[in-house]
Amino acid sequence: EDQVTQSPEALRLQEGESSSLNCSYTVSGLRGLFWYRQDPGKGPEFLFTLYSAGEEKEKERLKATLTKKESFLHITAPKPEDSATYLCAVQAGTGANNLFFGTGTRLTVIP
Amino acid sequence: DVKVTQSSRYLVKRTGEKVFLECVQDMDHENMFWYRQDPGLGLRLIYFSYDVKMKEKGDIPEGYSVSREKKERFSLILESASTNQTSMYLCASSFFRLGSAEAFFGQGTRLTVV
Repeated sequence: EDQVTQSPEALRLQEGESSSLNCSYTVSGLRGLFWYRQDPGKGPEFLFTLYSAGEEKEKERLKATLTKKESFLHITAPKPEDSATYLCAVQAGTGANNLFFGTGTRLTVIP
Repeated sequence: DVKVTQSSRYLVKRTGEKVFLECVQDMDHENMFWYRQDPGLGLRLIYFSYDVKMKEKGDIPEGYSVSREKKERFSLILESASTNQTSMYLCASSFFRLGSAEAFFGQGTRLTVV
């Protein structure tokens, strides 16, 4: 059975304190791994797609990496506006393009 | 800019009512999806559609139906709303690709069934 596990559930950081969020997955035939950001009461906002082990993507203070079993979202020198829930999702197997989500990491950055 | 629009941000309905949630996308995407999001459970797929008039059940289709009469519009229907359907409902769309395709989400509809 496909599984996506995110850790930690919640993370509090001081402004400027770098850290990483983890997404581990157990799926057959990974086709893509996605990171989203979700602000309270809003829909998820697309950040990155990673396709194969060793791939990296960057956007401002965020950097996503992928191995054969997990992905990391590294946050460098975070600011309070980076506070949000970060969701990881996978597409696997054959056929439909539906996403299978983890439960997210709620990040709070304290000024 | 990518745009997925859900018809309501907040809805309050009574138990037993028939509820329609509407979603429109302007990106000419083939795929459209309905998810619900609950604390501790994450996003769970209710139904998806990869073409007009085509639909596939997701992980939790019970108590729901969908309609896709036009490519840009995907409706979620709660035939007889119940309190356990109180949730955040999220619509998404994506291109159809044999590999993978990122999905873009609407702003969500917070439904409360009383």
